[in-house]
Amino acid sequence: DVKVTQSSRYLVKRTGEKVFLECVQDMDHENMFWYRQDPGLGLRLIYFSYDVKMKEKGDIPEGYSVSREKKERFSLILESASTNQTSMYLCASSGGVNQPQHFGDGTRLSIL
Amino acid sequence: QKEVEQNSGPLSVPEGAIASLNCTYSDRGSQSFFWYRQYSGKSPELIMSIYSNGDKEDGRFTAQLNKASQYVSLLIRDSQPSDSATYLCAVKWKGPGRRALTFGSGTRLQVQP
Repeated sequence: DVKVTQSSRYLVKRTGEKVFLECVQDMDHENMFWYRQDPGLGLRLIYFSYDVKMKEKGDIPEGYSVSREKKERFSLILESASTNQTSMYLCASSGGVNQPQHFGDGTRLSIL
Repeated sequence: QKEVEQNSGPLSVPEGAIASLNCTYSDRGSQSFFWYRQYSGKSPELIMSIYSNGDKEDGRFTAQLNKASQYVSLLIRDSQPSDSATYLCAVKWKGPGRRALTFGSGTRLQVQP
């Protein structure tokens, strides 16, 4: 089974802090993704990566950056956290281009 | 703008009935289709993948794909209260560019005991 592990289930941070969300997958998948999910807005893609050091913007990249230094790890960075970034953050990975995405358990992030 | 549309529900069915969930998509060239189940407060989990026209069965679940009509559906037979969740349809568009899936907003299913 695919295992996608997110570093924290719940996280509380303060406005203006730099926040790091970590994601690790154990299936040697090429593709990794970061989404946020908000009530009424569904899943929205923030960034994805298709190889080490390669990344592409998703639908809502503003205020976020990402890092993929190793194939198994994909980090999401909130450069200066704001209250409107309070959300559930979901990491996913997939193998080939037409393969399904597998999700981690999610990180519920609160920015105070 | 390529879109995936689902009725938000809730869809309410009695225990033991067949639940039918529908999804339409805007890009005729789409090539891969997925159904995910998401319980409240949890992350989406993959139920079914379907790539070609017709039906695909897995236990109590059947996915149906009609590319000409641009819809994909999920049937849940013998619905159980534990099936109560939000069901997300996801589509992979054909061609380069977008490697991520596009998700519908989900249909909330309630199975009444």
